[in-house]
Amino acid sequence: QVQLQESGPGLVRPSQTLSLTCTVSGGSVSSNRYYWSWIRQRPGKGLEWLGYVYYSGGRYYNPSFKSRIDMSVDTSKNQFSLRLISVTAADSAVYYCARDRGPSNGGSSIFDYWGQGTQVTVSS
Amino acid sequence: DIVMTQSPDSLAVSLGERATINCKSSQSLLYSSNKKNYIAWYQQKPGQPPKLLIYWASTRESGVPDRFSGSGSGTDFTLTIHNLQAEDVAVYHCQHYHSPPFTFGQGTKLEI
Repeated sequence: QVQLQESGPGLVRPSQTLSLTCTVSGGSVSSNRYYWSWIRQRPGKGLEWLGYVYYSGGRYYNPSFKSRIDMSVDTSKNQFSLRLISVTAADSAVYYCARDRGPSNGGSSIFDYWGQGTQVTVSS
Repeated sequence: DIVMTQSPDSLAVSLGERATINCKSSQSLLYSSNKKNYIAWYQQKPGQPPKLLIYWASTRESGVPDRFSGSGSGTDFTLTIHNLQAEDVAVYHCQHYHSPPFTFGQGTKLEI
């Protein structure tokens, strides 16, 4: 059974960088069948897709974040990561990592396994 | 970006009855080349991450009870839950995957 687990600081100061890591077990980030996505859920808002990274290092970001987001994959640790720079209070949210079936679904991104989510609060 | 709008925002349905949740997209999610609608539905129970229920508008994910069904085409889609059970209390989200950025509806809260 594939499992994903987010980790990282729960509190980030405004203008600083939010950094999260997702550790995958029961599956491999080196698979060419999946993308690895980040999705967030702000209080009272819908889910928001941030982007995905592929085992090769290829990535696609939501243009809403393009100037301040970076994702990477570490195949040796079976992890992938998110960095969001210059955060504000509007970036406070529950952040989820998810497996994206895109490459094995005709290039179509649906999210079949999710981490439990980690709350990140941006506050001084 | 494609905007996904769900209705209603919340609804209450009696046990054993049918629940209907709608999702409207700001542009067609139907690809003429393969006749597929690029929309998925998720269930999110309190304190849990979303769970994939349905994709391609009407294909149930493995293990999802057949009480859950999806329908619709183009810009109008419906998630129907027959014979509502207590464990179906959740927030339901639609998501398009027509082209990035992939966006979700605002969610519909289903109560008994």
